[in-house]
Amino acid sequence: NAGVTQTPKFQVLKTGQSMTLQCAQDMNHNSMYWYRQDPGMGLRLIYYSASEGTTDKGEVPNGYNVSRLNKREFSLRLESAAPSQTSVYFCASSDIQGRSYNEQFFGPGTRLTVL
Amino acid sequence: SQQGEEDPQALSIQEGENATMNCSYKTSINNLQWYRQNSGRGLVHLILIRSNEREKHSGRLRVTLDTSKKSSSLLITASRAADTASYFCATDGNDYKLSFGAGTTVTVRA
Repeated sequence: NAGVTQTPKFQVLKTGQSMTLQCAQDMNHNSMYWYRQDPGMGLRLIYYSASEGTTDKGEVPNGYNVSRLNKREFSLRLESAAPSQTSVYFCASSDIQGRSYNEQFFGPGTRLTVL
Repeated sequence: SQQGEEDPQALSIQEGENATMNCSYKTSINNLQWYRQNSGRGLVHLILIRSNEREKHSGRLRVTLDTSKKSSSLLITASRAADTASYFCATDGNDYKLSFGAGTTVTVRA
């Protein structure tokens, strides 16, 4: 039982390059999330998927796209990376019970630098 | 925008002392959660308190919730070096999203 896994762990991109961050969970959770964490800012939600087949924007979606490939996998794509997207990216999953949250389980993060 | 805000931003204590940090939020909530993040790692869930609860315990952790003041506190008793981490509160409203504060960085000195 690996929990939430993310690849890659580290990535350096040049401005304008594209890349996809991968996330997978093996807990049979319905909901998955992508956050970014910047110094002194806490976590900010980029996109989330409440259930397989649905995706919605979070607080800071500009410059990103997501795909909920199946129940296990939720990827985040940067089409044209910018230095402002330098950050640590976390994927999380949760098993929502009704309208009340359970805990979210986080992956180890991807440290992205855009030059 | 961030819903929860932790206070203080940083806290340094001696091993064996207690650490208290606070979280204030702006709108009504269903639940409030606390998470820990060790340096370079992902967040780990510590405890969830529902809006109809006032206090909850888990091992050396004690969480209180005052919905009238829109605030919560996390107390870590008898701190250890392993408690050195950042602590975040997270609140949820009526959607599927959590809002995280900026965190309190706790350093436990040996």
